Amino acid sequence: GQQLNQSPQSMFIQEGEDVSMNCTSSSIFNTWLWYKQDPGEGPVLLIALYKAGELTSNGRLTAQFGITRKDSFLNISASIPSDVGIYFCAGRGNTGKLIFGQGTTLQVKP
Amino acid sequence: GAVVSQHPSRVICKSGTSVKIECRSLDFQATTMFWYRQFPKKSLMLMATSNEGSKATYEQGVEKDKFLINHASLTLSTLTVTSAHPEDSSFYICSALRTEQFFGPGTRLTVL
Repeated sequence: GQQLNQSPQSMFIQEGEDVSMNCTSSSIFNTWLWYKQDPGEGPVLLIALYKAGELTSNGRLTAQFGITRKDSFLNISASIPSDVGIYFCAGRGNTGKLIFGQGTTLQVKP
Repeated sequence: GAVVSQHPSRVICKSGTSVKIECRSLDFQATTMFWYRQFPKKSLMLMATSNEGSKATYEQGVEKDKFLINHASLTLSTLTVTSAHPEDSSFYICSALRTEQFFGPGTRLTVL
């Protein structure tokens, strides 16, 4: 079945630094999504990507749909303490189901 | 926006009892809703796809008689954990499909 590999697993950075995380798939996806989950809450949709090569921004967040359709990255610029949380990538292939990555735990030191 | 609510937010029950969790789409109608389970520090695991007016589609390994799903209206899906046991303790999250999946805040189930 389709598998997603998300990295890094965790990051501990200084406030103001930029952050980058990525996901790779063993097969092609038609859609890439990035969610953020705060402790004890459900995931919140940050960015949705639908075309290979697409680059989309949402405030300080930027995500890209890889040309090969097997990868995506999320960048966060000038991190702030409220960026703390777990970031999940999710891909949708021909089955129509969302496949989630393992998550990247981000901690920001003020 | 696309707001999804869940009720209750947390529940503690005794082993052997049944627990019902509600998932509502508050500002849109959702033909399709999803139920996920999440273990501590783990990713989301899809349990089943709930379709309004028809039977839910369960993922492999998920017991349909244990996790009863009812999607009786375009804004409400329910998950009932029947004869709950301590191993059913988990964080249950629903999502509703609009353009994409929008998630509820989750329900923390603890079975004693």
